[in-house]
Amino acid sequence: GENVEQHPSTLSVQEGDSAVIKCTYSDSASNYFPWYKQELGKRPQLIIDIRSNVGEKKDQRIAVTLNKTAKHFSLHITETQPEDSAVYFCAASETSYDKVIFGPGTSLSVIP
Amino acid sequence: GAGVSQTPSNKVTEKGKYVELRCDPISGHTALYWYRQSLGQGPEFLIYFQGTGAADDSGLPNDRFFAVRPEGSVSTLKIQRTERGDSAVYLCASSLVEGGVTEAFFGQGTRLTVV
Repeated sequence: GENVEQHPSTLSVQEGDSAVIKCTYSDSASNYFPWYKQELGKRPQLIIDIRSNVGEKKDQRIAVTLNKTAKHFSLHITETQPEDSAVYFCAASETSYDKVIFGPGTSLSVIP
Repeated sequence: GAGVSQTPSNKVTEKGKYVELRCDPISGHTALYWYRQSLGQGPEFLIYFQGTGAADDSGLPNDRFFAVRPEGSVSTLKIQRTERGDSAVYLCASSLVEGGVTEAFFGQGTRLTVV
């Protein structure tokens, strides 16, 4: 089955700096890669996703890249703000409506 | 409300007891997922329904766990003979499969504590 690894497990950045979270996956059949943000005590919420026919996708301060050959994908947050502090999960799935396998999470702290 | 609703929000039960956790998906969403999240970990897949049938139940840890969705809407996750290791937040999510593009929306979860 699919296995998703994620690093770093914790990340602290100064406000305004960039944050990068990297993930790897094992199943070459995976084609859908969502990223979720989970604030303390709250539900995971989708922030961006990418499909295997696309190498990069941007949405304002957030960008994701995908290297399907190497089975790597990354989340980039620019101009970080304190409200970006949360746990971020990468995930992989064969399609956008199949079971989604999550990574272990990265706890991001943005220091004002 | 328009979101995924899970009840109860908290459940404390004694080891060996039976529990049921309920999920009300977003109206019209055909796909429903159950996940389990332990402290400091990512959500762990349990089971996925497409309509009334379980499309994939490969994540259920053992035969003490069972889930149903008899009318293709509300789902119930049932855990028999609970063990302390079952303590976790149980998350439900739903999505609308339309044109292959969909987002899964999560509920707030049920925090299960087995004492």
